[in-house]
Amino acid sequence: AQSVAQPEDQVNVAEGNPLTVKCTYSVSGNPYLFWYVQYPNRGLQFLLKYITGDNLVKGSYGFEAEFNKSQTSFHLKKPSALVSDSALYFCAVRGYNDYKLSFGAGTTVTVRA
Amino acid sequence: ETGVTQTPRHLVMGMTNKKSLKCEQHLGHNAMYWYKQSAKKPLELMFVYSLEERVENNSVPSRFSPECPNSSHLFLHLHTLQPEDSALYLCASSQAPGQAFYEQYFGPGTRLTVT
Repeated sequence: AQSVAQPEDQVNVAEGNPLTVKCTYSVSGNPYLFWYVQYPNRGLQFLLKYITGDNLVKGSYGFEAEFNKSQTSFHLKKPSALVSDSALYFCAVRGYNDYKLSFGAGTTVTVRA
Repeated sequence: ETGVTQTPRHLVMGMTNKKSLKCEQHLGHNAMYWYKQSAKKPLELMFVYSLEERVENNSVPSRFSPECPNSSHLFLHLHTLQPEDSALYLCASSQAPGQAFYEQYFGPGTRLTVT
């Protein structure tokens, strides 16, 4: 069975500081990893994904994520956070030929001015 | 309209009512999904449709009945719900559902309250 863990319910950072949201996964075979963001009263928006190749993946709004196979992690990062980045972030994993996309419980990010 | 749309955005219903949620995708995708999002819990996949055929049903109670008349439309028919069914119901779509590397695109959700 595949699963995702987001160990932090909440992350608080000051505007302009680096932002990291942690994610670890478990899946059989090669993982397909995704990050989504959800703003209040909205659906999930796709940020970025890892399929294969470079371990550092760049996505929307200045976000990037680093895939680490040995640590089974896929942490989301942003060098300089903005107040508008305050939202709920979800990590997700999917196995090859699997319909199911398994999500973590989410991490609430608050960026203070 | 672009992306994935859902109606209604909010729904309040009694336990004996029958209602339906509607989802429409304008992305040319051939897979559609229903998810349930409850507070402080991971998203729960309910149903998956590929080319209008249901390919996954994650042990969802029969009081939830999906319908996919074509690749652009998806419905969730609700009947005799329980208060614990109150949640945000999200619809999503993607290309080639059997290919794991395609991301899913989500609608804004329907906030359902069962009284």
